[in-house]
Amino acid sequence: EAGVAQSPRYKIIEKRQSVAFWCNPISGHATLYWYQQILGQGPKLLIQFQNNGVVDDSQLPKDRFSAERLKGVDSTLKIQPAKLEDSAVYLCASSWDVGSYNSPLHFGNGTRLTVT
Amino acid sequence: DAKTTQPPSMDCAEGRAANLPCNHSTISGNEYVYWYRQIHSQGPQYIIHGLKNNETNEMASLIITEDRKSSTLILPHATLRDTAVYYCIVRVGAAGNKLTFGGGTRVLVKP
Repeated sequence: EAGVAQSPRYKIIEKRQSVAFWCNPISGHATLYWYQQILGQGPKLLIQFQNNGVVDDSQLPKDRFSAERLKGVDSTLKIQPAKLEDSAVYLCASSWDVGSYNSPLHFGNGTRLTVT
Repeated sequence: DAKTTQPPSMDCAEGRAANLPCNHSTISGNEYVYWYRQIHSQGPQYIIHGLKNNETNEMASLIITEDRKSSTLILPHATLRDTAVYYCIVRVGAAGNKLTFGGGTRVLVKP
């Protein structure tokens, strides 16, 4: 099966600019996650969707970050305006089952964002 | 969240078994232990998960102690391509079933 697709692979922007990332999960996966991974650290969950509804966005900096998952499939994550500390890899993941601990998350290869 | 403790780094020899330890003494009865690895410039890759019983797949074996307070991931014949950061994660049982990553173990497989 095709994996989680993310684009772009790399993005360089100046601070205060805006940027958007796109994710296409594995077909049929109900749950979609966005993680942020700062260099040298483990990934940190930003937001989780179940179909097209938000399950958890407690770690999302809502003053500048937004995300949507229209029609319960693809998702976009936006940052506006970007700050230097937003430089990180943004990872998208999806899983099959909702409400189960027994359904692994599958990750894309991420978008590496550099804010200058 | 159930916390996990892993050594920050370890080396192992190519062709030998690599045994990666993980402590999770506060794990709850219905929480799974998951292992992921992350090779440079790639997203985390799922390896294996288990609840109580030992598990084996084509990539690795997972040994969970009877009291479930610790586990060991075994790579039976390490290759240079197994060099990566390995994350041991206890999957949160609350709403969302999210994975919370710690610092992981940086494994270097040497020739």
